[in-house]
Amino acid sequence: KAGVTQTPRYLIKTRGQQVTLSCSPISGHRSVSWYQQTPGQGLQFLFEYFSETQRNKGNFPGRFSGRQFSNSRSEMNVSTLELGDSALYLCASSLGRGREGYNEQFFGPGTRLTVL
Amino acid sequence: AQKVTQAQTEISVVEKEDVTLDCVYETRDTTYYLFWYKQPPSGELVFLIRRNSFDEQNEISGRYSWNFQKSTSSFNFTITASQVVDSAVYFCALSETNFGNEKLTFGTGTRLTIIP
Repeated sequence: KAGVTQTPRYLIKTRGQQVTLSCSPISGHRSVSWYQQTPGQGLQFLFEYFSETQRNKGNFPGRFSGRQFSNSRSEMNVSTLELGDSALYLCASSLGRGREGYNEQFFGPGTRLTVL
Repeated sequence: AQKVTQAQTEISVVEKEDVTLDCVYETRDTTYYLFWYKQPPSGELVFLIRRNSFDEQNEISGRYSWNFQKSTSSFNFTITASQVVDSAVYFCALSETNFGNEKLTFGTGTRLTIIP
């Protein structure tokens, strides 16, 4: 079974630009979560999508948004980039059933975003 | 609110030594899950173990073992006979079990360096 894939792996943008990152979950997984990892703040939860709906959201400004498509692939968008948005963005997928106990999250390799 | 504390920022040990990584958590939930993830230099988070709050049995997997103690809210991770390949950043994480909430709250990580 193929793992979680994220594209692109590396990205360089300048302040004020916007960026879109993509995540393809493991086949059959319906939940996709996004995390931001920075040296200062560590790993922080951005949001989770399940069946094309945002089901959970972390404490990030509205410049951070996402969506999920019918095939469970997800994209996240950051508008008006700031220097502080430089980070490793990790995507994780799971079955997302919830009621049947915790569903394991499998992480992708991440997209390293650098904002100049 | 949930919180995970990994007080050890960096640890260095000589190869073949045993090493324990500490994790202390806070949660008001009575049902929750605890995790350890490994992050090698490539960046991808590799799942090591999951433990639910009702299962306090210690677990051993090869050179890895985990000690879960609800009384002290700790979930420590021991590597026996460490190897250079164990060098990585290790994260402890906590998750609620409410339906539709698979958000992981991570500790700040412990950077483990095994010296050959």
